[in-house]
Amino acid sequence: QVQLVQSGAEVKKPGASVKVSCKASGYTFTSYDINWVRQATGRGLEWVGWMNPNSGHTAYAQKFQGRVTMTRDTSISTAYMELSSLKSEDTAVYYCARDGGYGPGSGFDPWGQGTLVTVSS
Amino acid sequence: SYELTQPPSVSVSPGQTVSISCSGDKLGNKYVCWYQKKPGQSPVVVISQNTRRPSGIPERFSGSKSGNTATLTISGTQAMDEADYYCQAWDSGTVVFGGGTKLTVL
Repeated sequence: QVQLVQSGAEVKKPGASVKVSCKASGYTFTSYDINWVRQATGRGLEWVGWMNPNSGHTAYAQKFQGRVTMTRDTSISTAYMELSSLKSEDTAVYYCARDGGYGPGSGFDPWGQGTLVTVSS
Repeated sequence: SYELTQPPSVSVSPGQTVSISCSGDKLGNKYVCWYQKKPGQSPVVVISQNTRRPSGIPERFSGSKSGNTATLTISGTQAMDEADYYCQAWDSGTVVFGGGTKLTVL
């Protein structure tokens, strides 16, 4: 079945960087876009950015421009999101989510299980 | 930046019908999706492309749009539907989520 499995929880100090992985299985990795979304405790869903695994093209939310980098390793069907210059406000669960794949407006399906990133001194 | 506006909370009695609205500028020209988010679980898409119900989503979930307002309707609401619901749209190549609506099934 189509599945996204993310790396485990991370604890980082302010100013550090974190790299979260998202391993895809059950489909052709390069055929579907991958999005990253986060949710801080008690807050709503927030889009971080998007990557086309085939071309490597990316688009980031303006809020994260200059701090986020999305990459992929097609040989192991894995997408990565790296966030730098971490602040306490970056403490959140980070999700990867695949594009639904049936045209514009498909939505995100499925989602990874989420990775808790805690930023604390 | 583009914004989607949802009511913070709605409540419904079991078996009744509830609607959650989502409004935004020129939303009539954009695709809207809806996600269900329960504590400790990953979001699940319940409506895509404004009105499409993905495989495995119960028929009691439906989506509609009129003008610049999209609506998620749950008919015959069940206790298991208690969750946060988020609308989502695309604007100028970026993704925007609404602030979320907490659905309470009383």
